Order: sequence, then C-alpha cells, then structure tokens
Amino acid sequence: KAGVTQTPRYLIKTRGQQVTLSCSPISGHRSVSWYQQTPGQGLQFLFEYFSETQRNKGNFPGRFSGRQFSNSRSEMNVSTLELGDSALYLCASGPDSALSNEQFFGPGTRLTVL
Amino acid sequence: AQSVSQHNHHVILSEAASLELGCNYSYGGTVNLFWYVQYPGQHLQLLLKYFSGDPLVKGIKGFEAEFIKSKFSFNLRKPSVQWSDTAEYFCAVNAAQGSGNTGKLIFGQGTTLQVKP
Repeated sequence: KAGVTQTPRYLIKTRGQQVTLSCSPISGHRSVSWYQQTPGQGLQFLFEYFSETQRNKGNFPGRFSGRQFSNSRSEMNVSTLELGDSALYLCASGPDSALSNEQFFGPGTRLTVL
Repeated sequence: AQSVSQHNHHVILSEAASLELGCNYSYGGTVNLFWYVQYPGQHLQLLLKYFSGDPLVKGIKGFEAEFIKSKFSFNLRKPSVQWSDTAEYFCAVNAAQGSGNTGKLIFGQGTTLQVKP
C-alpha cells in the first residue's frame, strides 16, 4: 500500500498571502489529521476530518481551515500568512477502526513565510 | 486539558548503552499510547503502541515500553542502543472520546537521542 502523500513538499510564501496544502491518505483510511511541527512548540494538533466532517479541532486561529473530499483526500488552507506560520505541516491518516486508531504520517510540507 | 511530558530533551549515549526515555501524561480517562520516532530527514514512524491488555508492549527495532496506569507513565526502553537509533522520539497520547475513536494525538515535546559510535 502506498503511504500518506503530501504536496507540495516545500513552499515559500510572503506575509499576507494564503496557501493550500494537500494530503492523500492511505487507501481505505477515512480519518485525516493535520499537525504543525515547529522547533519551539513541537507537534501541535490542528484538526481532524472524518467522512468529510471536521471531528476534532485544535487551538489554532480561524486562519487555519481544512476540508475533506469524498475520496478522503484532504486540504488545509492558511490565510493571511504570518511569519510564525513557518513550520512543517504533517498530515496523518488512520483506519479509525474499533481495534486501532493508529495514525500514519506523511513526509510533511515545509512552509516558509518571508 | 490533556498534556504529555517527556522528561529528557536531549540524551547522549554510547553504543551498547541501555536507554530509558520517560513519558508522563495527564488525562483521567481511557487512553491509547504511542511512541513515534523521527530519523534525520525522514517522516514520523510508529515505534510501538498500547491500546489494552499486557502493559509491556514490544515494538520495532528492539524497543519496548511499559504502561503504568497508576503513574500515568509510558516509558520507552531499549537494552542496547545502536548508532542508527540516533533520532528524535515522541511520546503521544490519544484520549478516546465517548463518541468513538479519534485521530487527535497529543504529543510530548520530543527527546533527541544521539548515539555515539
């Protein structure tokens, strides 16, 4: 099975712009979660989608949003970028079964805001 | 609020030394526990997980962890480390919500392990 894929892998934007990141989960996985990883704050949960609905949300401002499509692919959008949004954005997918809610991570998208 | 605390931020060991990385979590309900590893330049990979049953769980590459419910701990151990174990290690907790499984993981700050050859 192919793993979680994320595009693009690297992105450079300027303050005030917006950005959209994409994630394709492992085939058959319906749960997709997004995380922000920075040296200072570590790994922080952004949100989780399941069957096209946001199921959980972390403590990030409304500039961070996401959605999930019927094929479970997910996109994350950040509007009005700030310098502090520079980070590695990780996507994870999970089978969401009664036996396992293990999360499988993708390689991430490295976002640099100038 | 749920939280995860990893005791050691940076650990330096020589090859063949034993390893123990501490992890404590704050949550009173049912939890699922994980250790993830991030090798240099690679993405997060699952080392091991605890959902239920035997509190001593074994993972890949000779790692194991013990869940002690009374101490809210899930420490990672390896009897003899190798240079290839140099990586960053993350403890994570998934608090199962009443409505069912959730993909929300709360991570510790991570421990950087450096193994000297």
